[in-house]
Order: sequence, then structure tokens, then C-alpha cells
Amino acid sequence: AQSVTQLGSHVSVSEGALVLLRCNYSSSVPPYLFWYVQYPNQGLQLLLKYTSAATLVKGINGFEAEFKKSETSFHLTKPSAHMSDAAEYFCAVRPRGRGYNKLIFGAGTRLAVHP
Amino acid sequence: GAGVSQSPRYKVAKRGQDVALRCDPISGHVSLFWYQQALGQGPEFLTYFQNEAQLDKSGLPSDRFFAERPEGSVSTLKIQRTQQEDSAVYLCASSWGQGGSYEQYFGPGTRLTVT
Repeated sequence: AQSVTQLGSHVSVSEGALVLLRCNYSSSVPPYLFWYVQYPNQGLQLLLKYTSAATLVKGINGFEAEFKKSETSFHLTKPSAHMSDAAEYFCAVRPRGRGYNKLIFGAGTRLAVHP
Repeated sequence: GAGVSQSPRYKVAKRGQDVALRCDPISGHVSLFWYQQALGQGPEFLTYFQNEAQLDKSGLPSDRFFAERPEGSVSTLKIQRTQQEDSAVYLCASSWGQGGSYEQYFGPGTRLTVT
């Protein structure tokens, strides 16, 4: 069965530092890949998605992610953290092919940004 | 507003009570999903509708959970005889199409607490 692993349930960075949130998937066929952000008491907001057009995907708020098939990874990065980036981040996959509609989420990584 | 809305935002139920959670998807969205998010976890799929048809209910944890979308727009998730393990945030999402790379837009969720 398809699964998603997010390494590190908590990540803490200084304001202005590089943000790196890790995501690995388990599938022989690369799925559709998504990163969502969740602020307290809010729903999930899509940051970016990988559909196979390009391996480096740029999203909102300065985030980007690189798909690496050889590593089955889709890590999320941002060059310079801002205080407003503090939130919970979820990596999600959807297998390709007809009949696959649901998203399968990782357990999430809580990002803290300190001055 | 143009987003997905859910009501109520918070619900406290005594064990054994029935609850009904409502989701108003984005107008025109064909697909509607329900997810359950336990504290500190990623969302987990419950059920999926394409218009009024419930095409996947494989994630419903027991026969106490029931969902409907009779006219292909508003959906209701009903939980009968609530148990403490039902305490979670219930997220609704909708998307324009089915499967593929279509983005799912999430509502703010209903936080259910069973006492």
C-alpha cells in the first residue's frame, strides 16, 4: 500500500535560515505529490504539487520542492524562513491511475521559527 | 465566500449521542471528500463522493459513520452513538475534477470532542 514518511515531527529554524522538510513516498510508480500547510484552527492550504511536468516545483510563499525518483523523495525547501512560516506541514500523495481519488498524508512536520 | 465551509466549527457531544457535521463545497466542484484528523496526526481518508454518488467509503471506521450528498452539493457526515475515540477534527475537501492532479480545497474543519 502507498505510504508517506515525513522525517522529523518537529523542525526548528532561525528566522532567515534555510527550511528543509523531508518527505519520502513508497511506490514503484511515481505518484502525484503535494505539500499542504495548516495554520492553527484552519484547514489545509496547498503549497505546491508535482504532476510530472518538471522535477523542481515552485509554490506559494517562496517554497519549492524537488522530485527525485531515485530517492523516492519530494523534500520541501525555502531559502529564508520567516516568522509567518511557523505552521504544520503535510506531504501527501495520490497514486496515478483511474479510481484513485483520495490523498494519503504523512504524519506532518511542525515548523517553529525563532528570532 | 468562495471557499469550502463547514459547520459547526466546534461540537461537544456526550458519549452515545448522535452528531451531524455539514460541509458546503465550492460551487461547481464535482468531488467531495471527508477526512478525519486525530490530534497530532495527518488527515486520514473517510469517504469520497462524485456528485451525489458515494464511490468510496473504505475509510469509514465503523457502521456508526454515515455520509450523504443527496443533491450533489452539500454533504453531511453523521456519527451515531459517538465514542471517545471519535474525538478528532473532521475535514471536508472538494475539487473540480476527479483524481489526477486536481487540487483538493479544504474547509476549516469541525473539531468534535466526545466526553
